[in-house]
Amino acid sequence: AQRVTQPEKLLSVFKGAPVELKCNYSYSGSPELFWYVQYSRQRLQLLLRHISRESIKGFTADLNKGETSFHLKKPFAQEEDSAMYYCALSYGSGNTGKLIFGQGTTLQVKP
Amino acid sequence: NAGVMQNPRHLVRRRGQEARLRCSPMKGHSHVYWYRQLPEEGLKFMVYLQKENIIDESGMPKERFSAEFPKEGPSILRIQQVVRGDSAAYFCASSADLAEELFFGSGTQLSVL
Repeated sequence: AQRVTQPEKLLSVFKGAPVELKCNYSYSGSPELFWYVQYSRQRLQLLLRHISRESIKGFTADLNKGETSFHLKKPFAQEEDSAMYYCALSYGSGNTGKLIFGQGTTLQVKP
Repeated sequence: NAGVMQNPRHLVRRRGQEARLRCSPMKGHSHVYWYRQLPEEGLKFMVYLQKENIIDESGMPKERFSAEFPKEGPSILRIQQVVRGDSAAYFCASSADLAEELFFGSGTQLSVL
């Protein structure tokens, strides 16, 4: 069965510390993975997708098929990174709108 | 471009009433998706529509729930005879094409008393 797991409900770090938000998935096909972010009082928005291999706002994520993981990383956290982060898996055969979301991790960056 | 517009933001219904949630996609977007988020859970896919067509409703409960996206006007998610378990945040998203970025609305928080 398809599944996305974010094991941490809350991750709290100090400004300037490295951040790693964990995401593991279960999917029998070729996965397409995303990270979405929701800042306070804002809409859910796409942060990055694995096929683009971009770094957005200093965040990167590498798809590791052996470990079935897609962890989100940033070397130096900023206070403005505080938000809810969702890992998501596309399971619609090329339809990137049909997604399975993890439960989300709240990132809290303390000054 | 105002983005994906959902209304109302908050909707309160008593058990047995009907709930109608509306979603206007971004300009130029013809693909609409509805998601539901129960407390402490991630968003769950419900239905995917294009103009006048339901493409994929594999995530919709079999009874009481229906969705439409008419030729003119917003997409509507309708829940008949609501029960307390329907209380959730309902999100709409739209995209310009199948493999394009998904844009989300602010959601409708449905509370069933």
